[in-house]
Amino acid sequence: DTGVSQNPRHKITKRGQNVTFRCDPISEHNRLYWYRQTLGQGPEFLTYFQNEAQLEKSRLLSDRFSAERPKGSFSTLEIQRTEQGDSAMYLCASSLRGYGDTQYFGPGTRLTVL
Amino acid sequence: SQQGEEDPQALSIQEGENATMNCSYKTSINNLQWYRQNSGRGLVHLILIRSNEREKHSGRLRVTLDTSKKSSSLLITASRAADTASYFCATEPGSGSRLTFGEGTQLTVNP
Repeated sequence: DTGVSQNPRHKITKRGQNVTFRCDPISEHNRLYWYRQTLGQGPEFLTYFQNEAQLEKSRLLSDRFSAERPKGSFSTLEIQRTEQGDSAMYLCASSLRGYGDTQYFGPGTRLTVL
Repeated sequence: SQQGEEDPQALSIQEGENATMNCSYKTSINNLQWYRQNSGRGLVHLILIRSNEREKHSGRLRVTLDTSKKSSSLLITASRAADTASYFCATEPGSGSRLTFGEGTQLTVNP
């Protein structure tokens, strides 16, 4: 096990298209988080799961965004009808609840909406 | 909204010098974490300090936390060119919950 992985690493899409990103957390980590980061800014929280339950969603997560973690392992983040303002780095992190709570981040998916 | 605010926004030093970055926050926290990010890459966890701790060390890193002033500092001693990166503080209000990041400090270590 080598850490959190995210796919794809880069995605270029046209405005109005739907995109889906995948995150595979560190094995046995029960919490999984999604963040978004724009250039020159710190990451902003989007949502997080404990096992398959989505525990919190940010107001940033509009109706066009949906996240799932169906079996409590990997997670997907879908953006429907993409807009240019969705262009950002989408970061996934995982942690093991009750063991230090350190969140370990993946390399991110860079989304560019043309 | 961004809770953590790093200071300075940018810092340029010579190799071998120490680098100090500060972070302020506004609400109660369970812990505060420092991360490093190289350009265009993911975040690397550096150190976590809990609200009941005042100081923590890890290798060349020293972190302090003053909950009465709602502030933290990260000291990197004997800096190296490889330390060039953005450094972010992130606060966690409850155990295992969301992190709130600041805008980061861009550190440049000149060889």
